[in-house]
Amino acid sequence: GAGVSQSPSNKVTEKGKDVELRCDPISGHTALYWYRQSLGQGLEFLIYFQGNSAPDKSGLPSDRFSAERTGGSVSTLTIQRTQQEDSAVYLCASSLLQGQGYTFGSGTRLTVV
Amino acid sequence: DQQVKQNSPSLSVQEGRISILNCDYTNSMFDYFLWYKKYPAEGPTFLISISSIKDKNEDGRFTVFLNKSAKHLSLHIVPSQPGDSAVYFCAARSSGGSNYKLTFGKGTLLTVNP
Repeated sequence: GAGVSQSPSNKVTEKGKDVELRCDPISGHTALYWYRQSLGQGLEFLIYFQGNSAPDKSGLPSDRFSAERTGGSVSTLTIQRTQQEDSAVYLCASSLLQGQGYTFGSGTRLTVV
Repeated sequence: DQQVKQNSPSLSVQEGRISILNCDYTNSMFDYFLWYKKYPAEGPTFLISISSIKDKNEDGRFTVFLNKSAKHLSLHIVPSQPGDSAVYFCAARSSGGSNYKLTFGKGTLLTVNP
């Protein structure tokens, strides 16, 4: 597609429920990143996928968070047993080259009530 | 421990004047710096970058200055326009195996008044 597409754009969920956030990167971009922005904070790195290599999951804040990227394209970020501190904007980005030319999606605003 | 700091949460400037946004960093391994601009309900968009081997990079109305000894960079916008009103994020990347990770500051909200 023309840009990075994320869905849903907004999600309100009850504490304890699981949520799935989806990212469609730009076609042909082999690198995919997830970041999150909590209120009043900068963007925080979560996870990085590059081609068929093992992802860098070092930024995931707890084992309730997981992500996968199927077929080298679409990625899903899953948060299990959501907590109020998970409320944030979750941003996905993709790039053609590692670490260069990030294009961000518009994000998913997650609110845990 | 915040490695990239934007100490001014907000800045207000008159249209036509210069906007100067500042950023400090602590990690000496950072060798590439970027500025992103973010409008509400949109993702950040890349604005301008600078490598640590340079001290200045200019693109139209936007200039980024890097002072390595002070671990400080700044973004100058001249002349400022109302459409420049947005949140500006400073980001940095280190060389080496994790060069895909960007470390972001908290952002500065720029308001350009007509």
